[in-house]
Amino acid sequence: QVHLVQSGAEVKEPGASVKVSCRGSGYTFTDNAIHWVRQAPGQRLEWMGWINTGHGKTQYSENFQDRVTIIRDTSASTAYMELSSLRSEDTAVYYCARGRFEAGFDPWGQGTLVTVSS
Amino acid sequence: QSVLTQPPSASGTPGQRVTISCSGGSSNIGSNTVNWYQQLPGTAPKLLIYINNQRPSGVPDRFSGSKSGTSASLAISGLQPEDEADYYCTAWDDSLNGPGFGGGTKLTVL
Repeated sequence: QVHLVQSGAEVKEPGASVKVSCRGSGYTFTDNAIHWVRQAPGQRLEWMGWINTGHGKTQYSENFQDRVTIIRDTSASTAYMELSSLRSEDTAVYYCARGRFEAGFDPWGQGTLVTVSS
Repeated sequence: QSVLTQPPSASGTPGQRVTISCSGGSSNIGSNTVNWYQQLPGTAPKLLIYINNQRPSGVPDRFSGSKSGTSASLAISGLQPEDEADYYCTAWDDSLNGPGFGGGTKLTVL
């Protein structure tokens, strides 16, 4: 069974960085991209970027271009998303999801709550 | 700002048929396929419909999707209380070079 398991909740101060991990299991990790999507409280889903887990190429949303970095460790079947210069508006649940080209994101990780507060 | 437009809410009684619309443009729905996600309260989104009208294994055939031009719709027939959730449409957007999401539709089963 395919699973994505994310790291636990984080509390960060404004201006800090956060790094969230996403470990895949039940499939060949390098066969599919990993996307990152966030959801602020009561808000819509917002795509942040993705990584080709095979060769490591990334593509980021313009909304996060300067602040987000996505990497992967194929030996650990794990992708990481780091968001820097955090502000209160970055308080959200961050999800990773396996990309299946046209066929959507499936499955999703359980989500990681990141709270930005002084 | 979402590139795709959905009604913020929809409702129906058990057994009814409900339809949720998703409107986009030439750079997203008009040139790419549409996927739908169901998000139950407090959980991660789950793929419900992919490539416009395909159901992943395990998704009941009460759920169906369609696409025409720059719009798409999700239909739920035989509405059940457990269908109460948020529903999101998404399509790759060539101008964003990434997927755009709709704002989500909160479905209430009365």
